[in-house]
Amino acid sequence: DQQVKQNSPSLSVQEGRISILNCDYTNSMFDYFLWYKKYPAEGPTFLISISSIKDKNEDGRFTVFLNKSAKHLSLHIVPSQPGDSAVYFCAASITGNQFYFGTGTSLTVIP
Amino acid sequence: DAGVTQSPTHLIKTRGQHVTLRCSPISGHKSVSWYQQVLGQGPQFIFQYYEKEERGRGNFPDRFSARQFPNYSSELNVNALLLGDSALYLCASSPGAGGPRSYEQYFGPGTRLTVT
Repeated sequence: DQQVKQNSPSLSVQEGRISILNCDYTNSMFDYFLWYKKYPAEGPTFLISISSIKDKNEDGRFTVFLNKSAKHLSLHIVPSQPGDSAVYFCAASITGNQFYFGTGTSLTVIP
Repeated sequence: DAGVTQSPTHLIKTRGQHVTLRCSPISGHKSVSWYQQVLGQGPQFIFQYYEKEERGRGNFPDRFSARQFPNYSSELNVNALLLGDSALYLCASSPGAGGPRSYEQYFGPGTRLTVT
């Protein structure tokens, strides 16, 4: 049972434009959400997180939005850069003891 | 500062054999988690350990076991290997001391296990 879903396997965006990556979840018990970025042959790298008590968290070019009623979160990257090209995973946690990952979205930023 | 390290990098085993994978967390991190990632999928949670105690377990058979040592390093053991155990095994560490940052996991490069 996939509790965290990323329905877009891939996304292509022009350099300088906004990239929006989406994630849906089913378990209302999740209390923390995270985004990871993964390059080939490397482990995932933590990018940004948000607690369930917030609806927005911003860090530089990266902003995560959480819509609890829709059980949906999104990652906005503005402006997108070629170095942002990677696979992005969203993840959700219950009390920090179990983590559930989506299947990933491969982002390509076109120069 | 050194990141999360895992050994070995690659491993080839035969069905029915046993394997031990090792992980050293970031200095100061007390929590270690293990994940299995098969091609085309996201990481699947196997275990989390904090202060040598198991804090979380995913939906994996009893052939999978783990432990954490006093220096916070960890081992993942898999018995009676099956072809389906072929995957990238990732280890992640976190401060695990409570508060929001305890949720932030830092991953190692993984161990690629191939079962033939």
